[in-house]
Amino acid sequence: AQTVTQSQPEMSVQEAETVTLSCTYDTSESDYYLFWYKQPPSRQMILVIRQEAYKQQNATENRFSVNFQKAAKSFSLKISDSQLGDAAMYFCAYRSTGANSKLTFGKGITLSVRP
Amino acid sequence: DSGVTQTPKHLITATGQRVTLRCSPRSGDLSVYWYQQSLDQGLQFLIQYYNGEERAKGNILERFSAQQFPDLHSELNLSSLELGDSALYFCASSNGVLYGYTFGSGTRLTVV
Repeated sequence: AQTVTQSQPEMSVQEAETVTLSCTYDTSESDYYLFWYKQPPSRQMILVIRQEAYKQQNATENRFSVNFQKAAKSFSLKISDSQLGDAAMYFCAYRSTGANSKLTFGKGITLSVRP
Repeated sequence: DSGVTQTPKHLITATGQRVTLRCSPRSGDLSVYWYQQSLDQGLQFLIQYYNGEERAKGNILERFSAQQFPDLHSELNLSSLELGDSALYFCASSNGVLYGYTFGSGTRLTVV
């Protein structure tokens, strides 16, 4: 079974600075998808970014980018120019390539942004 | 609005009672997933339905059951409720082609 580990329960960043959230996973599969979800105080789960394992290029979405290290099974999220609205819980998640496979989540990390 | 509708948003009930949570998936999505989010357990996968059929089961208690109807909406039934069942219950849907899920806004269940 796949597992996702987020070892840092909390992190803090100064507004306008850059922060990196760590995630590792364990799988025996060679192809899969990885995701970062954001959960603000509203509790809505919002997809931030996704990465296909077969792609070597790291995904980027505006101020959000990932550092995907397949051999190390590491998938970190970098947030540049942090904004107050980035304060939230962030979840790393894994999904197999089967069309209806489930998402497996890490326990999440709470990010606070200092003004 | 994500396109996935969950009702009710909040529910307060007593121990031993039974409740039903409802989810309408995004238009065109055939798969529905239920997740439980509690403070100490993170997001736990409960069960998945695809086009009316159960496809996968996770850590779902025997007191819990679910189904997906012909119009693709799904219901999660929780019975003999205990204090520990208090949590946020999410429904998500997928069309089986896109990579991720679309989540509803969740139902906050409080058992007193």
